[in-house]
Amino acid sequence: GAVVSQHPSWVICKSGTSVKIECRSLDFQATTMFWYRQFPKQSLMLMATSNEGSKATYEQGVEKDKFLINHASLTLSTLTVTSAHPEDSSFYICSARQRPDEQFFGPGTRLTVL
Amino acid sequence: ILNVEQSPQSLHVQEGDSTNFTCSFPSSNFYALHWYRWETAKSPEALFVMTLNGDEKKKGRISATLNTKEGYSYLYIKGSQPEDSATYLCAFQVDSSYKLIFGSGTRLLVRP
Repeated sequence: GAVVSQHPSWVICKSGTSVKIECRSLDFQATTMFWYRQFPKQSLMLMATSNEGSKATYEQGVEKDKFLINHASLTLSTLTVTSAHPEDSSFYICSARQRPDEQFFGPGTRLTVL
Repeated sequence: ILNVEQSPQSLHVQEGDSTNFTCSFPSSNFYALHWYRWETAKSPEALFVMTLNGDEKKKGRISATLNTKEGYSYLYIKGSQPEDSATYLCAFQVDSSYKLIFGSGTRLLVRP
């Protein structure tokens, strides 16, 4: 089946630093990738939709200048959390769309901002 | 605001028991309903994509039904095994843009 990887699987950083998370589709090309985050005891919440070669579309309430998304190739999308603060600590997970009705997820990245 | 509810939040069953969970979603503007199985430290794994009212899908011991008119889907597991222990997520797809709105999941623990 389709495999999506994420790197790193976990990261701890100091407040004010930036963190980049990579999402790769390993055995298929994905024109669309999605970024979600999950706070403790809450649902996965869509942050943004990333289309290869174009600007990402952000959901309401998600700051595009804080969460920079780049989808430079059909197999790689990156999420950069700029000037991270403790309230950005969360579980970030990406997914990639392969066929019209299927979305494959990465294993997620646990971000802790001290 | 679209809301997807799952119940129960968690469930402990004995090996061999059959069980079921519920996903409730808006009955208007339905496009598709997805079920995922998510084991700890792994990627969520797609189980079913359901689009038509009355759909019934099956994968081994797991099956799902869909009622779009009343806005609910059931996931059934027959003869639960310890390896079925996971969080089961449902997600409501609003339109062809493929945005998914997730429920908070049902955490299943199957005791040997």
